[in-house]
Amino acid sequence: DTEVTQTPKHLVMGMTNKKSLKCEQHMGHRAMYWYKQKAKKPPELMFVYSYEKLSINESVPSRFSPECPNSSLLNLHLHALQPEDSALYLCASSQDVQGLNSPLHFGNGTRLTVT
Amino acid sequence: AQSVTQPDIHITVSEGASLELRCNYSYGATPYLFWYVQSPGQGLQLLLKYFSGDTLVQGIKGFEAEFKRSQSSFNLRKPSVHWSDAAEYFCAVGSITSGTYKYIFGTGTRLKVLA
Repeated sequence: DTEVTQTPKHLVMGMTNKKSLKCEQHMGHRAMYWYKQKAKKPPELMFVYSYEKLSINESVPSRFSPECPNSSLLNLHLHALQPEDSALYLCASSQDVQGLNSPLHFGNGTRLTVT
Repeated sequence: AQSVTQPDIHITVSEGASLELRCNYSYGATPYLFWYVQSPGQGLQLLLKYFSGDTLVQGIKGFEAEFKRSQSSFNLRKPSVHWSDAAEYFCAVGSITSGTYKYIFGTGTRLKVLA
């Protein structure tokens, strides 16, 4: 069982839709992450939140908009996506973003398909 | 620049056989190393981690890894593979670049287990 919960598990959306991905953790972790993973590839970092503040944006297009309402929740708002954005979106958390000995804990991901 | 190399894209072993997955890293300081496993349609699960101390690290599911500084390697081993071990395995290193902490993932090794 994963301690990082992501909803929904699957999402199909059109290019004009607006949708949101949600992530929740109750481990008291202060860093939360969004990764994008294409098939047969490693996860690619998108955003990092540290103590509810955005600390890293890996030059992600503005059609992806992250939000961290509190220390347990992380959202990813999607708008006007392209078919090439179809991927597995993984949320992760760690105890502290500056802790080199702080491993990532991943959710099971949201499988996104853009039509 | 920091990097992680997993030389084997695919590995096939028979159930009950031993397993070794290779990982080489490039990092200037003491590395913080991780192995993750990903089953189809799932998130990544931490198998084990190395920060310091004993160079032979024990993990979950009967896996172990050995850190060899002289070879810049952190290979994952299991004495007897089970059919349920079939999955994608990612080696990762934690690194700090310009004050920003990131995980660098290898490209992964897909393990197939023959009955």
